[in-house]
Amino acid sequence: QKEVEQNSGPLSVPEGAIASLNCTYSDRGSQSFFWYRQYSGKSPELIMFIYSNGDKEDGRFTAQLNKASQYVSLLIRDSQPSDSATYLCAVNKGGNQFYFGTGTSLTVIP
Amino acid sequence: DVKVTQSSRYLVKRTGEKVFLECVQDMDHENMFWYRQDPGLGLRLIYFSYDVKMKEKGDIPEGYSVSREKKERFSLILESASTNQTSMYLCASRPAGGGGYEQYFGPGTRLTVT
Repeated sequence: QKEVEQNSGPLSVPEGAIASLNCTYSDRGSQSFFWYRQYSGKSPELIMFIYSNGDKEDGRFTAQLNKASQYVSLLIRDSQPSDSATYLCAVNKGGNQFYFGTGTSLTVIP
Repeated sequence: DVKVTQSSRYLVKRTGEKVFLECVQDMDHENMFWYRQDPGLGLRLIYFSYDVKMKEKGDIPEGYSVSREKKERFSLILESASTNQTSMYLCASRPAGGGGYEQYFGPGTRLTVT
């Protein structure tokens, strides 16, 4: 079983819509959770992280964590063409143990 | 602003060559990492280092070694490059502390072994 699972997509949404990206993880001991955005040919850049159950909002982005269901999601409101990228979910199990999903490709259609 | 730099963006090497990939960070981070990223496999950890001269194997260390002689610099070495080591290599750093600190990534080195 993979540590972190994401739907590879591609996910397409029209401009202005809400994009919903999902991630599940296998280890209940996982402590913190990260969403990275990666443009084609570029390195990952952090969007946000969350470690408590519930929602965390930052501008157009909302991360949601449900530890009981071992589920993390990222919502992007008012999606823009510039949001088109691959989104990586990463899970930290403490210390330097990070596990990454394979990413979900998002396309925002103008 | 955290800056992580890598010595090359693109590199082409021949099978059997010794390859050095260099990474430098300017934020005095204790921890540094080397990943490779392949389509459908995501990022996989090769090695990480939590202090000068200290290293830990990641998930796929075979065929690689690392060196950390100074805090700001972490090198990945392919002793004898093989075609299956063709990949995107990403260096990252993060400060010491709990799991809440994110990793900062360098721009990546796309290595092709022919």
